Amino acid sequence: GAGVSQSPRYKVTKRGQDVALRCDPISGHVSLYWYRQALGQGPEFLTYFNYEAQQDKSGLPNDRFSAERPEGSISTLTIQRTEQRDSAMYRCASSSPGANVLTFGAGSRLTVL
Amino acid sequence: GDSVTQMEGPVTLSEEAFLTINCTYTATGYPSLFWYVQYPGEGLQLLLKATKADDKGSNKGFEATYRKETTSFHLEKGSVQVSDSAVYFCALISPVGGGSYIPTFGRGTSLIVHP
Repeated sequence: GAGVSQSPRYKVTKRGQDVALRCDPISGHVSLYWYRQALGQGPEFLTYFNYEAQQDKSGLPNDRFSAERPEGSISTLTIQRTEQRDSAMYRCASSSPGANVLTFGAGSRLTVL
Repeated sequence: GDSVTQMEGPVTLSEEAFLTINCTYTATGYPSLFWYVQYPGEGLQLLLKATKADDKGSNKGFEATYRKETTSFHLEKGSVQVSDSAVYFCALISPVGGGSYIPTFGRGTSLIVHP
């Protein structure tokens, strides 16, 4: 696509529910990143992929968070048993091979009640 | 680990004023440095970058010079416009093994420009 697309843009859920956030990167972009951004803060790294391989997941806060990119394109970030502290903007970004510039999506704002 | 420190915002200016947003960094090796801008309701987008010491990145009237001796990458613009109102993020990338890149971002500085 023309840009990085994220869905849903807004998600409100109750504590304890699972949520799945989707990212559709720019066509041909090999690397895909997930970040979390709290209000008034910068993006905080969660995990990233090259093609379908998860290269680094050191930023995932705990084992309730997981991500996949099974065919090397669309990625899903899943949060199980959500807690109020998970409320944040979740941002996806992608980059082309060998490049160090990220293109970000508009983000998915998660609110856990 | 790598880190980026930006000045606290918001920065409030009148149109045509001079802008400086300070950014300093801590990194191993020789990182590449970036400024990203985020307009309301949109994702972050690259504003400018510099990949080695003394390089100057520039775009849309904004400039920043990679200063290795002071580990800084301050953003400047000579005459701001209302349309420059946004949140500005300083960022760095230190290459890790295998050519992988994991960008580290500062907390962002909000700029508000009044007519």
